Order: sequence, then structure tokens, then C-alpha cells
Amino acid sequence: SQKIEQNSEALNIQEGKTATLTCNYTNYSPAYLQWYRQDPGRGPVFLLLIRENEKEKRKERLKVTFDTTLKQSLFHITASQPADSATYLCALEGGSNYQLIWGAGTKLIIKP
Amino acid sequence: DADVTQTPRNRITKTGKRIMLECSQTKGHDRMYWYRQDPGLGLRLIYYSFDVKDINKGEISDGYSVSRQAQAKFSLSLESAIPNQTALYFCATSDRSGGETQYFGPGTRLLVL
Repeated sequence: SQKIEQNSEALNIQEGKTATLTCNYTNYSPAYLQWYRQDPGRGPVFLLLIRENEKEKRKERLKVTFDTTLKQSLFHITASQPADSATYLCALEGGSNYQLIWGAGTKLIIKP
Repeated sequence: DADVTQTPRNRITKTGKRIMLECSQTKGHDRMYWYRQDPGLGLRLIYYSFDVKDINKGEISDGYSVSRQAQAKFSLSLESAIPNQTALYFCATSDRSGGETQYFGPGTRLLVL
């Protein structure tokens, strides 16, 4: 079956360290993959998009990699801060009419 | 995001009642979406609309209907609410030239008793 997997357990990271979140998928060949941030009680907010022909994308302290052979994307936050604590969702183009298919998200907790 | 608004923000209703959730956007986007979010599950697409005359069913459309009254307005109806429709509902928009980046409203928390 087609699915997207993100670590369902919360990830606890010490402030200042690099947080790495994983998004694995099966049975898709997406043209692109996106990462969103979601805070409690709020809608997801777009962070980064990476296309199938891109290995890596950076934005400030954020870095995303996309390995179409492994069917995996990694999302890194360097020099993490307590304000980075949130749930991070990955989404890939994979439905009919190029719709987004979403992972359940990983909760990231940055401890001071 | 203030550009995408949803009303109501919270709603409690009873089984069998009809309920409408409304979404408005000022981003000028053609595409609008309704999702539901349940604990431990990814966002699931209920309906989407590429323009006023183009409405499509998503993954979980049974029990729901939609209306695209204008480019800026997209409403979701539960004709006869049931308890397993208790969830967090999000409206989103995208611009066809934006690589399908989606912009979300603040959500409506719905409880069906």
C-alpha cells in the first residue's frame, strides 16, 4: 500500500544541537516533497519544498535532503532553539490531480 | 494565517444535525481544499476545488459536501453529523504556479456528540 512514515514518537533535542527528522515513503514517485511546521491549535505553515532533481535545499537554519532511491527525505534544524519546538509534517505530491499526501508528523521538543 | 479564515473556530453539535464550516481567503488563489486531521493520522483530503466550476472528491468525501460560492469562499457541509466526524478541519489554498505550496487557515475543532 502507499504510505508516508514519520517517526510517531516525539524527538527530544538539547538546545543548540542539530535536530534531524525523517520522512520515508513507499510506492510513490513524487515530483516534489514539502515540509511544514504545525503549532498546537494552528494550521500547518509551509517551510521548504524540494524537487526530485534536487539533492539538498537550505533556508537559514533549515536543510532538507531528498533521496529518491531510498525514498526518504531528511529535515535538519541546526543550532536548535526552544522556539523550534513544534510538529513537523512532510507532504509529497502523489495523489490524483497531483494532490499532496501527508505524513502524520513528528513532534520536536527542544529543551533549554 | 489571516489570509485564510475559517468559521466557526470551535463547534459542538449532536448526531444527525447539519453543520456548515466556512472558509474565506484573500490570497487570490484559485485552488481551495478541505482537510480533516485526526490524532496520529496525516491530513486527509475531503474535497478540493481548482476554480468555482471545478470541484473534486478527495480521499474521504463520504458524508461531506462542499460549495464554492466564489473564488474566495469554499464551504464544507456535514449533512447529518456522526461522532466519527469529530476532528480538526482545515481549509487551505494554493496558487497553481506555486508548486502546490498550500496555505492553511487556523482550523475548526468539531465535536459531534
